[in-house]
Amino acid sequence: AQSVTQPDIHITVSEGASLELRCNYSYGATPYLFWYVQSPGQGLQLLLKYFSGDTLVQGIKGFEAEFKRSQSSFNLRKPSVHWSDAAEYFCAVGARSNDYKLSFGAGTTVTVRA
Amino acid sequence: DAGITQSPRHKVTETGTPVTLRCHQTENHRYMYWYRQDPGHGLRLIHYSYGVKDTDKGEVSDGYSVSRSKTEDFLLTLESATSSQTSVYFCAISDGGGRADTQYFGPGTRLTVL
Repeated sequence: AQSVTQPDIHITVSEGASLELRCNYSYGATPYLFWYVQSPGQGLQLLLKYFSGDTLVQGIKGFEAEFKRSQSSFNLRKPSVHWSDAAEYFCAVGARSNDYKLSFGAGTTVTVRA
Repeated sequence: DAGITQSPRHKVTETGTPVTLRCHQTENHRYMYWYRQDPGHGLRLIHYSYGVKDTDKGEVSDGYSVSRSKTEDFLLTLESATSSQTSVYFCAISDGGGRADTQYFGPGTRLTVL
């Protein structure tokens, strides 16, 4: 069965500093990987996704993520955080063998301090 | 933004009463999903649909039923609500088509069962 672990429940970062959110997945074959962001009281918005090809994926809002098969990881990064990046971030994994159903991590809440 | 609406957006009900949540899409997407979001659990799939009258269970389907009589509408019913079903419910849609297409999420329904 596929599963996703986001080791960090809460991260606090200063505005302008870099941000990295960790995501580890458990699945035998090549997974389909996603990062979503959720602002308070809102639905989820897709930041980026990985299906195949280049393992460094660029997304919206200046985010990028790198797929590392050897480490079963898909970490999200942003070089310089803005106050508007304060939100909850979810990593998700899907697979053809599971009818593309997504499994989500528990989420990481990001607080940005001035 | 994907054309997805959910109704109602907020609902308070009492234990033992039936509740129906509605998801409506204007994108003509084939796949529709119902998730629940609880702190510490991320999003968990309740039921999904891969076409009109075609539905299947997710990982937390007990106590829930769904129906899809039209492409654009996907209903989630709690036959007899319990306090453990207090949650935020999200609908999502995707085009499917044989690969892991992106899921787009609605704004959510906050349900409180007293």
